[in-house]
Amino acid sequence: AQTVTQSQPEMSVQEAETVTLSCTYDTSESDYYLFWYKQPPSRQMILVIRQEAYKQQNATENRFSVNFQKAAKSFSLKISDSQLGDAAMYFCAYKNYGGSQGNLIFGKGTKLSVKP
Amino acid sequence: DADVTQTPRNRITKTGKRIMLECSQTKGHDRMYWYRQDPGLGLRLIYYSFDVKDINKGEISDGYSVSRQAQAKFSLSLESAIPNQTALYFCATSDSTGFGYGNYGYTFGSGTRLTVV
Repeated sequence: AQTVTQSQPEMSVQEAETVTLSCTYDTSESDYYLFWYKQPPSRQMILVIRQEAYKQQNATENRFSVNFQKAAKSFSLKISDSQLGDAAMYFCAYKNYGGSQGNLIFGKGTKLSVKP
Repeated sequence: DADVTQTPRNRITKTGKRIMLECSQTKGHDRMYWYRQDPGLGLRLIYYSFDVKDINKGEISDGYSVSRQAQAKFSLSLESAIPNQTALYFCATSDSTGFGYGNYGYTFGSGTRLTVV
């Protein structure tokens, strides 16, 4: 079975600085998707960024980028120019490729605080 | 209106009571899911349904049951609530193509915070 591990329960960053959240996963599959979700205090689950395993290029969405290391099974999220609105829980998630292949599996989350 | 609507938003109930959490969606997705979120544990899958006649247990189904009344409706029941079922519950949907072009996968409701006292 696949697993997702987030080793940092809490992180803190100064406003305008850069922070990296870590995520590792375990799978025997070669095709899969990886995601980072943001959960602000409103508790809505917001998709931040996704990565297809077959793509070597790291995904980027504005100030958010990932460092995807397939061999190491590592998928970290970098937030540049941190803003107060980035304060939230961040969840790393995994899904096998293909609609019938498994469900979305989450890590335990990292709580990010942003200091003004 | 939200694509995935969960009711109620918050609920306090007593131990031993039966409670139903409801989820409806306007996405037209055929797949629906119930997740439970606990502090320090992330989101864990309770039940999932790939269509009206296909319902499956997830990682933590004990103490829960579900009903898929229609493609758009998927309810979660706690037959006899207990305090350790206090949690934030999420409903989510996805379509059967999985994560095809332009499809970013799961759509989540805004959650139901359930407290069992």
